[in-house]
Amino acid sequence: DAGITQSPRYKITETGRQVTLMCHQTWSHSYMFWYRQDLGHGLRLIYYSAAADITDKGEVPDGYVVSRSKTENFPLTLESATRSQTSVYFCASSELFGISGPFYNEQFFGPGTRLTVL
Amino acid sequence: GENVEQHPSTLSVQEGDSAVIKCTYSDSASNYFPWYKQELGKRPQLIIDIRSNVGEKKDQRIAVTLNKTAKHFSLHITETQPEDSAVYFCAASLQGAQKLVFGQGTRLTINP
Repeated sequence: DAGITQSPRYKITETGRQVTLMCHQTWSHSYMFWYRQDLGHGLRLIYYSAAADITDKGEVPDGYVVSRSKTENFPLTLESATRSQTSVYFCASSELFGISGPFYNEQFFGPGTRLTVL
Repeated sequence: GENVEQHPSTLSVQEGDSAVIKCTYSDSASNYFPWYKQELGKRPQLIIDIRSNVGEKKDQRIAVTLNKTAKHFSLHITETQPEDSAVYFCAASLQGAQKLVFGQGTRLTINP
């Protein structure tokens, strides 16, 4: 599972500060995703990317910004952190397999970043 | 858009008994249904998935069933063991779409 890593693993910040969470994968997967995990809500998609320089909003994008200049990196930025953004953030990646057969959707998750906004 | 509901939110079973977790989805075009297991403090990991062209899939002690007409699918774990204790998430997507919509999760506890 060293193929997808996240940093930092733990972060405490204050309301109003900018925070960037990093995600790096070594598989050259085309797709990358950012989720937040909160009790009672499961995993909610924030943003995703189908390739370098292609990003799209997920279910809960407000307050977040992403970029993907390189295939292997997909940073998530909280431009002005709020307490409601306290959460565990997971990055994931996946690829389309099978040119002629069924596509394969398994998403591989990073270890997560626990973010606390005071 | 797709919406996935998962029940129950918590489930406690005796070791050796079976556990069943159920999910419903809203978009009839969804055709890929994975299940992820997340142990305490760990990342979610795929344990089994099913595509809409089959009704059931088994892998040792775990199985998933799909009812496309009713738009629901279930995870069955037989002969439960302590290591099955975890949070389980169902999800749905259009095959090839890569974007998954997850259920809220079920915390499964296996009592010795």
